[in-house]
Amino acid sequence: DGGITQSPKYLFRKEGQNVTLSCEQNLNHDAMYWYRQDPGQGLRLIYYSQIVNDFQKGDIAEGYSVSREKKESFPLTVTSAQKNPTAFYLCASSSDRANEKLFFGSGTQLSVL
Amino acid sequence: SQQGEEDPQALSIQEGENATMNCSYKTSINNLQWYRQNSGRGLVHLILIRSNEREKHSGRLRVTLDTSKKSSSLLITASRAADTASYFCATDLRQGAQKLVFGQGTRLTINP
Repeated sequence: DGGITQSPKYLFRKEGQNVTLSCEQNLNHDAMYWYRQDPGQGLRLIYYSQIVNDFQKGDIAEGYSVSREKKESFPLTVTSAQKNPTAFYLCASSSDRANEKLFFGSGTQLSVL
Repeated sequence: SQQGEEDPQALSIQEGENATMNCSYKTSINNLQWYRQNSGRGLVHLILIRSNEREKHSGRLRVTLDTSKKSSSLLITASRAADTASYFCATDLRQGAQKLVFGQGTRLTINP
């Protein structure tokens, strides 16, 4: 069953802690993206990667880090430098670099304890 | 401010009626896409319209694009309760970084 898998579905972060959100895809897509969604808001781009071992900052990269060591995987780390991390995080992928038809995972809700 | 601005922010209609949502944007685009999001879930791609197209249909969905007015509309005909969701437009900018810019969405409620 092809698609994008995000885990965990819910995550809690303590103050000063780094947490990592997982995103795995078996669609053989080159491009992968991380978006943040706040309640009642649209999506804001955190980081994106168009090819393995390369990634670019999006509009709100501060306090976040990513890696793209494998085509299938694009984990997002929310660092302690991100002072307002509570949000719904969405991972997406697309088959080429042309930004056509993104496939999304089911999201991770991150909350601060 | 956001590249894509949607109107209205919320829409509530009776089942069977048509629903129209609008999206306006500021700069030239390669394409405009519409996505649907059910509560607490990821987004699902609905339809893509390119800058040289004016209208596109997919099932009960009809999308129009007016590049002179920098606006698009999504029409859902014969609405069903299952259409209850948030709908987002996303623009692929002609210049700038390779990324989609999403609007803030229209929250559609279909009343049975």
